[in-house]
Amino acid sequence: EVQLLESGGGLIQPGGSLRLSCEASGFTFSSYAMSWVRQAPGKGLEWVSVISGSGDITYYADSMKGRLTFSRDNSKNTLYLQMNSLRAEDTAVYYCAKGHLLGGFDIWGQGTMVTVSS
Amino acid sequence: QSVLTQPPSVSAAPGQKVTISCSGSSSNIGNNYVSWYQQLPGTAPKLLIYENNRRPSGIPDRFSGSKSGTSATLGITGLQTGDEADYYCGTWDSSLSAGVFGGGTKLTVL
Repeated sequence: EVQLLESGGGLIQPGGSLRLSCEASGFTFSSYAMSWVRQAPGKGLEWVSVISGSGDITYYADSMKGRLTFSRDNSKNTLYLQMNSLRAEDTAVYYCAKGHLLGGFDIWGQGTMVTVSS
Repeated sequence: QSVLTQPPSVSAAPGQKVTISCSGSSSNIGNNYVSWYQQLPGTAPKLLIYENNRRPSGIPDRFSGSKSGTSATLGITGLQTGDEADYYCGTWDSSLSAGVFGGGTKLTVL
């Protein structure tokens, strides 16, 4: 079964750091670009970042550029999203998704909640 | 303010047809594929349409997509109460080098 499982969310104080993980199964992980999308409470979807299959190319949303590092370990079928200098407006459910918006996200994880608050 | 513009809400009766528009520009919809997502309350989004008009396996043909110029449209026929959800369009913006989504459209089946 094709599956994505996020972890690492939680409550973090403003200015803090958090690393999200997303473990993939059921497909040839290294063959696909992978992405993160977030959704603030009661709001719409916001694209966050994409990484190439090999991990050598990444793009980031302006809203988080400079505070994010998206990486992958193809030997572990796992994505990592390192988030630094977190702000209240970063509070959201973070989803990992298989693919790139050019071809559509055909598989989504269940999401992990990040709450930035003192 | 989303880069892609969708109507906040649409509604129609069961069995009827509805369309949801998604308006962008030449740097996004005009030159890139569009995908559409359905998000039921409390769940992760689900891919309905990719590459403008292609349906993943398992998506009924009641759902269709089209694109013309810098706009895209999602069509849903034979509306069912289970179709009540939020719908989002998305694409790549070549000028921003970033993904972009519409603000979402809430479908109500009256």
